[in-house]
Amino acid sequence: QKEVEQNSGPLSVPEGAIASLNCTYSDRVSQSFFWYRQYSGKSPELIMSIYSNGDKEDGRFTAQLNKASQYVSLLIRDSQPSDSATYLCAVRLPDSTLTFGKGTMLLVSP
Amino acid sequence: KAGVTQTPRYLIKTRGQQVTLSCSPISGHRSVSWYQQTPGQGLQFLFEYFSETQRNKGNFPGRFSGRQFSNSRSEMNVSTLELGDSALYLCASSSGGGETGANVLTFGAGSRLTVL
Repeated sequence: QKEVEQNSGPLSVPEGAIASLNCTYSDRVSQSFFWYRQYSGKSPELIMSIYSNGDKEDGRFTAQLNKASQYVSLLIRDSQPSDSATYLCAVRLPDSTLTFGKGTMLLVSP
Repeated sequence: KAGVTQTPRYLIKTRGQQVTLSCSPISGHRSVSWYQQTPGQGLQFLFEYFSETQRNKGNFPGRFSGRQFSNSRSEMNVSTLELGDSALYLCASSSGGGETGANVLTFGAGSRLTVL
């Protein structure tokens, strides 16, 4: 069973703080990793993709990948109330299937 | 360019009926994936079609089926509906090729199915 694990939350942070979202995966040969954001009642939208070990930054978002530890994280700097959503970690398996975690709910309070 | 279009957006069926959902991918995308989303199980992979061929299949019973047409549009069908089939069904498209970024999924708005 190929699994992607996330803490369901909610993760509550004050406005302006750094939100740290974590994800672990079980299939060691996975090569592609994604973070999607899903607002309540909406469909998931891609925030970040990361393929190599290390950090990848895009605006207020930083994705971090550690393949040896099978760990992916997403940092959101200067969190805003509009960032309140469920964040889904997704892992591309060797058969090209994209497997999702159940998501972490983030709540940013003004 | 136009995004992924799913129809219908909402539908209500009764147990034992069947349902067909439609998905039009982003122009030029040849891969279409279907997911079922429920509060308890999250996003679960149903199947993926690429150039009219089923490339991958998730762990769902045979009541769930799909197909893809030559214009990349896809349909999924659920027969003999059960109460547990109530869910948001999401379609996502990607270019599906071997280039970097080809496997990035763009989701449609979903079809919310309620089975009574």
